[in-house]
Amino acid sequence: GAGVSQSPSNKVTEKGKDVELRCDPISGHTALYWYRQRLGQGLEFLIYFQGNSAPDKSGLPSDRFSAERTGESVSTLTIQRTQQEDSAVYLCASSFVAGARSDNEQFFGPGTRLTVL
Amino acid sequence: AQKITQTQPGMFVQEKEAVTLDCTYDTSDPSYGLFWYKQPSSGEMIFLIYQGSYDQQNATEGRYSLNFQKARKSANLVISASQLGDSAMYFCAMSEGGNTPLVFGKGTRLSVIA
Repeated sequence: GAGVSQSPSNKVTEKGKDVELRCDPISGHTALYWYRQRLGQGLEFLIYFQGNSAPDKSGLPSDRFSAERTGESVSTLTIQRTQQEDSAVYLCASSFVAGARSDNEQFFGPGTRLTVL
Repeated sequence: AQKITQTQPGMFVQEKEAVTLDCTYDTSDPSYGLFWYKQPSSGEMIFLIYQGSYDQQNATEGRYSLNFQKARKSANLVISASQLGDSAMYFCAMSEGGNTPLVFGKGTRLSVIA
C-alpha cells in the first residue's frame, strides 16, 4: 500500500525487556514523527526526523527511549528496560516537506499497541 | 501552559444536526497551522481539515468547516449534517513556524445519536 505502515501491530512484553517498533513512511516523505498515545489521552510528540538534519529528540520521556532512521526511509523506535508506564499506542507519521510551510499534512500509520506486563 | 485546549471532553449531537467542537491555541509565532484529525474506535488518525495562520478565509472540506478567529486564537471545527459514522474522538493540533511536530489537544469524544 501507499500509506504509512507500522509493525508489529501489537506487542506484549514483560517489564524490563527491550522492544523495537518499526515505521515505514510514505515514499518521498522526508519528515517522520513518532508520537505516543496513552489510553484515553491525546498524542504526545516523541521524536522528529527531517532529512539529514539532526533529529529533534525533545519529546523523548527518558534515556530509555531512542530512535533511528535510515536515510529517508524506515525508522525504528527502541524502548529499553520497559516499564508498565510505557504501555500505550505508538504512532508514526510522515509528511512531504516543501520549504518552511505549515500545511504539510502528517499521514499517520495504524500504530503499535504496546502492553508492558 | 497548554498550547492546544479542547474544553469539551464529550459531546452529543442528533443525527443530521450541526455540531461545533471547540479549540483554542496559544502561540507567539506568526506562522502556524491548525489541523483537525478524527480518530474512530479503530484507532487510525484521519486528517480532516487545515487552516493556515495567514489564510484569509475559513477552511472548508465537504461537511467540515473551520471557524477561525485569529484574534481570539480559536479554531473551532463545525460538522454539518452529522452522521452516525461521525462518532469518534476529534483532535485539534497545531504546527508552529513551518515543519514541526504537531502539538495535540486532549480531544473531544463526539457521539452522534440516531
